[in-house]
Amino acid sequence: EVRLLESGGGLVQPGGSLRLSCAASGFTFSKYAMSWVRQAPGKGLEWVSTVTSGGRTYYPDSVKGRFTISRDISKNTLYLQMNSLRAEDTAVYYCAKNWEIWGRGTLVTVSS
Amino acid sequence: QSVLTQPPSASGTPGQRVTVSCSGGSSNIGNSIVNWFQQLPGTAPKLLIYSNNQRPSGVPDRFSGSKSGTSASLAISGLQSEDEADYYCAAWDGSLNGYVFGTGTKVTVL
Repeated sequence: EVRLLESGGGLVQPGGSLRLSCAASGFTFSKYAMSWVRQAPGKGLEWVSTVTSGGRTYYPDSVKGRFTISRDISKNTLYLQMNSLRAEDTAVYYCAKNWEIWGRGTLVTVSS
Repeated sequence: QSVLTQPPSASGTPGQRVTVSCSGGSSNIGNSIVNWFQQLPGTAPKLLIYSNNQRPSGVPDRFSGSKSGTSASLAISGLQSEDEADYYCAAWDGSLNGYVFGTGTKVTVL
């Protein structure tokens, strides 16, 4: 069974950093594009980042230069390093395998 | 603001057909495949339709998708109470070089 499990969320002060993890199982991790998507409280879905099977990365302007997506194929784990966090980054962060399978999400709250 | 526009809400009685529109442009829907996601209350999104009109295994055939030019549509025929959810379209945008989601549509079963 394909599974994705996010972790690493929590409360962080503005300007701080946080690293999210997404542990994958049930499929050949290296063969699929993986993405992060977030959802602010009561709002819609917002794409955050994608890493292709070939390792190419993409970001929207809202997080470019602050967030970094990476993966450890040996650990079947996807990461999102988030720096210079702002209040507007507060959201539930989901990881997704090729858009077809999603994790349950992890909540990030940026507040002083 | 999203570049893909959906109506905020749609509704129908059980058994009715409901459609949700998704309006974009030549840089996204016009030149990319469209996916649709369903998000039930309090849960993670789920892929409902991929590649404009394909259903993943396990998705009932009362859900269907279509695309024409720079717009796409999701149709739910034979509406059921368990279909009450938020629905999002999405596509790759070549100008933004990124993935874009629609504004989302809340479907209510009356």
